[in-house]
Amino acid sequence: AQSVTQLDSHVSVSEGTPVLLRCNYSSSYSPSLFWYVQHPNKGLQLLLKYTSAATLVKGINGFEAEFKKSETSFHLTKPSAHMSDAAEYFCVVTGGTGTASKLTFGTGTRLQVTL
Amino acid sequence: AAGVIQSPRHLIKEKRETATLKCYPIPRHDTVYWYQQGPGQDPQFLISFYEKMQSDKGSIPDRFSAQQFSDYHSELNMSSLELGDSALYFCASSSRQEGQPQHFGDGTRLSIL
Repeated sequence: AQSVTQLDSHVSVSEGTPVLLRCNYSSSYSPSLFWYVQHPNKGLQLLLKYTSAATLVKGINGFEAEFKKSETSFHLTKPSAHMSDAAEYFCVVTGGTGTASKLTFGTGTRLQVTL
Repeated sequence: AAGVIQSPRHLIKEKRETATLKCYPIPRHDTVYWYQQGPGQDPQFLISFYEKMQSDKGSIPDRFSAQQFSDYHSELNMSSLELGDSALYFCASSSRQEGQPQHFGDGTRLSIL
């Protein structure tokens, strides 16, 4: 079975400072991993995906994540936070190497960006 | 680019009523997924369909049923609604190819009075 653990339920950063949202995964085999973002009363938007290609994945809006098998981690980073980044972020895993299977979500990290 | 369309966006029902939520996937996507997100919770997988056949089943109550039609749109039918069914219901679609992610609609917010 696959699972993800988001290590922080809430992260607060100042605008212009780096963002780090932590995620560890557990999987019986090579997983597909994703980060989704959810703004209030909105749907889930895909930020980036890892599917066994390059371990450093670049996504939209300046976000990137690095897949580290030795640490079973897939942390999300951004060099400089913007006010519009304030949202709920979900680390997500799916089974196998394809994505045509159900997603298992982490419990989410709420990112707060202050002036 | 076309996205996943869900209707209605908001729905208010009373206990023991029925509801039908609709999902129109991105064109050429053959797989549809339904998720339920309770207040302050992460989304939970309910059920999925590939080429009109149920492909996976999660924590979907027996009171709920779903299907995918020949045009690939999907409907989630909910009966004997309970207060605990109040949630945001998301539909996602994908193409059953290696590395194709699921794309989500904006959800239907169901409120049970």
